[in-house]
Amino acid sequence: DAKTTQPNSMESNEEEPVHLPCNHSTISGTDYIHWYRQLPSQGPEYVIHGLTSNVNNRMASLAIAEDRKSSTLILHRATLRDAAVYYCILSRGGSQGNLIFGKGTKLSVKP
Amino acid sequence: GAVVSQHPSRVICKSGTSVKIECRSLDFQATTMFWYRQFPKKSLMLMATSNEGSKATYEQGVEKDKFLINHASLTLSTLTVTSAHPEDSSFYICSARRTALGTQYFGPGTRLLVL
Repeated sequence: DAKTTQPNSMESNEEEPVHLPCNHSTISGTDYIHWYRQLPSQGPEYVIHGLTSNVNNRMASLAIAEDRKSSTLILHRATLRDAAVYYCILSRGGSQGNLIFGKGTKLSVKP
Repeated sequence: GAVVSQHPSRVICKSGTSVKIECRSLDFQATTMFWYRQFPKKSLMLMATSNEGSKATYEQGVEKDKFLINHASLTLSTLTVTSAHPEDSSFYICSARRTALGTQYFGPGTRLLVL
């Protein structure tokens, strides 16, 4: 499975936007880009996913580079409840195959 | 969003006993369920993929005779840790794939402590 690279940790201030980067230089044409987040002692929560075009939903936006070798998860206004580990994951094919989790980015939100 | 539950949420058992963990998709049918394990401060590691009505596919290094997976219906998969030992203590998380949309939804996890 193609590998993703994320910063180990990031900090943000409450009510400010947060841009979480992800590099996936070996992505193939059929790989979808998924983002999940995990709060302490909980299962991961689906955030967003996309293939080529930018995506928006009620939780976040996903900006995908034109060459698809990187993407950015955007939280428009961070809240304390957004503090979590954010995972960027690639999966093969039109639907989600196995999700192989990396180390993710631990996001801290300061009041 | 779709809801996946796990039971129990926490279990403590003695070394050598077996423990069964249930994973249920509450509001959708899931032809595929996944089992993960997560050690403290580590990422999730996929253990096996479970398709309804067929044998589970285990990831390399995961002992299929130790971690028994049954996916007898479209809403229930079970993971049994047989002859548990302290090194099996971990956070076990399942997920279910909602076939039509393909997104995986995760359960809240089960924390296993083997004494």
